[in-house]
Amino acid sequence: QSALTQPASVSGSPGQSITISCTGTSSDIGGYNFVSWYQRHPGKAPKLMIYDVSSRPSGVSNRFSGSKSGNTASLTISGLQAEDEADYCCSSYTSTSTYILFGGGTKLTVL
Amino acid sequence: QVQLQESGPGLVKPSETLSVTCTVSGASISRGDYYWNWIRQPAGKGLEWIGRSDTRGSTKYNPSLKSRATVLVDTSKNQFSLRLSSVTAADTAVYYCARDPGYCGGDCYDFWGQGTLVIVSS
Repeated sequence: QSALTQPASVSGSPGQSITISCTGTSSDIGGYNFVSWYQRHPGKAPKLMIYDVSSRPSGVSNRFSGSKSGNTASLTISGLQAEDEADYCCSSYTSTSTYILFGGGTKLTVL
Repeated sequence: QVQLQESGPGLVKPSETLSVTCTVSGASISRGDYYWNWIRQPAGKGLEWIGRSDTRGSTKYNPSLKSRATVLVDTSKNQFSLRLSSVTAADTAVYYCARDPGYCGGDCYDFWGQGTLVIVSS
């Protein structure tokens, strides 16, 4: 069981928007704006999509956005494209000694 | 473009020391205020952060590993490595190396390797 909770899977049709949630506690997501999101295609290196809850690294499409409410962070992908089909994983700083926590990952299927 | 590539033994016997290396290309490991990290993923489980080091030798580790992990940076080879001692079957995982660019408020990882599978078995 991962420290941060994500749904196992989500799906959407091309052009639609989807949202992936990532739930933690007040010691991590709820207490700090230090949530990151990663895109993982099988056999490829993970890619940083969002950091500090809602900031996008250079080169990441503005179709990807992040937000947070309480102990839950969210990644929203708008205008779904076939190439968005991948696993998405969240991470957060934690004030516990573990320092960094990850979610279990969510498989996005583009129908 | 920065690239990271892990290399490792593939198979390690229980109680021995696991050693994996990450070769960095496309940039000098000694330039910039980066942290060099190791992260692993056991089969069917989520990612677990193992530890990090900068080029000055400042390190931080996940206490769940009970002081078994050591991250070393070798600027002369543009590599960094992980040593994990006294391994058990629970250490079987895909091991990833990753760079923390330093611009995130917490930690984040902008470049990753593709991962290397290490199996602990006799």
